Amino acid sequence: GEQVEQLPSSLIVQEGASVLINCSYTDSASVYFPWYKQEPGKRLQFIIDIRSNMERKQTQRLTLLFDKKTKHLSLHITATQPGDSAIYFCSASKRGGNYKPTFGKGTSLVVHP
Amino acid sequence: DPKIIQKPKYLVAVTGSEKILICEQYLGHNAMYWYRQSAKKPLEFMFSYSYQKLMDNQTASSRFQPQSSKKNHLDLQITALKPDDSATYFCASSQTGDPNSDYTFGSGTRLLVI
Repeated sequence: GEQVEQLPSSLIVQEGASVLINCSYTDSASVYFPWYKQEPGKRLQFIIDIRSNMERKQTQRLTLLFDKKTKHLSLHITATQPGDSAIYFCSASKRGGNYKPTFGKGTSLVVHP
Repeated sequence: DPKIIQKPKYLVAVTGSEKILICEQYLGHNAMYWYRQSAKKPLEFMFSYSYQKLMDNQTASSRFQPQSSKKNHLDLQITALKPDDSATYFCASSQTGDPNSDYTFGSGTRLLVI
């Protein structure tokens, strides 16, 4: 089945820095890639997504890049703030049917003021 | 206001007992899911329901039984609880059963089995 790997597993940065979270998947049939953020003790919240017919998507301080050939995604967060401290999850799902999304193990981001 | 309500937030249970985790969503979504998150494993898919029908079950054990009494409810009954069942259980929903739409998650029920 699909496997989703995230690197690094954790990041610690100073406020204002930019960070890059990498995600790779194995199943070429995956077409939809939503990302979620989970603050300590809270629910997962959708933050950005991309479909396999796109290469780039940007919203505010988030930029998501997608490379279909290498089956790789990267989430770039600029001008980080302490409020960005959370675990970030990449997920991948296939087209239609009963395919449920597969999640990565998450990347823990800590932003120090 | 939370759009997906999970109850209780914390739950301590004795090995061998039975518990029901409650989930209600007020988003008008037609699909609901259960996921499990523990320190040992990443977010694990358990069940998906669409229009109150079971669509997918990836839970090996029959001790886990989803129950959908209403379209916006998907409770999770766990019987013969074991310490390994200790985890945070998340309910989620989406507009349709198509996985190509983002999910809205509940805040989770943290279960500790002693």
